[in-house]
Amino acid sequence: GAVVSQHPSRVICKSGTSVKIECRSLDFQATTMFWYRQFPKQSLMLMATSNEGSKATYEQGVEKDKFLINHASLTLSTLTVTSAHPEDSSFYICSARAGGGTDTQYFGPGTRLTVL
Amino acid sequence: GQQLNQSPQSMFIQEGEDVSMNCTSSSIFNTWLWYKQDPGEGPVLLIALYKAGELTSNGRLTAQFGITRKDSFLNISASIPSDVGIYFCAGQVGGNKLVFGAGTILRVKS
Repeated sequence: GAVVSQHPSRVICKSGTSVKIECRSLDFQATTMFWYRQFPKQSLMLMATSNEGSKATYEQGVEKDKFLINHASLTLSTLTVTSAHPEDSSFYICSARAGGGTDTQYFGPGTRLTVL
Repeated sequence: GQQLNQSPQSMFIQEGEDVSMNCTSSSIFNTWLWYKQDPGEGPVLLIALYKAGELTSNGRLTAQFGITRKDSFLNISASIPSDVGIYFCAGQVGGNKLVFGAGTILRVKS
């Protein structure tokens, strides 16, 4: 099946710093990538949807200036958490979809962010 | 907004037993998906359902897309220790975003 990777797998940072997380589709071109956040013992919550070459669409309540998303190529999307605070500590998961509509979303392994 | 009610919240069963979990919603979905997530990992797709009434199997897993398009169930037969994990249902309308259920934690006694 299709493979999606994320880097880094874990990151610990100080409050106030920015952190960049990469999501790559390794063996297919992803026209759409999604970013999710998962708090402990909770479900995945969609943060934003990004299409290659265009601005991301953010879900209600997600600050676009805080969570910067760039989808510059068909195989790479990045999420930058700016001025991170402890409450941003979470498990961030991306997914990638080749085509549109009901094409399968393949999930990355996730990135554990801890903000001290 | 759209919400999925997934039950049970958790299960603790004997190895070899069959398992059943389900998701319901007040909204109609065009696609139902079942994922498994191991600790510290991303979700892995188990079964995708695209038509109302569809019954699909994947090894020991069987899932059905409810005829009303508002529900789905997942059955696991003859559970084994590696079935441990969190199972999520997800619904999708058209080409839009996935809506996830809260998850079912499965623990298996060996």
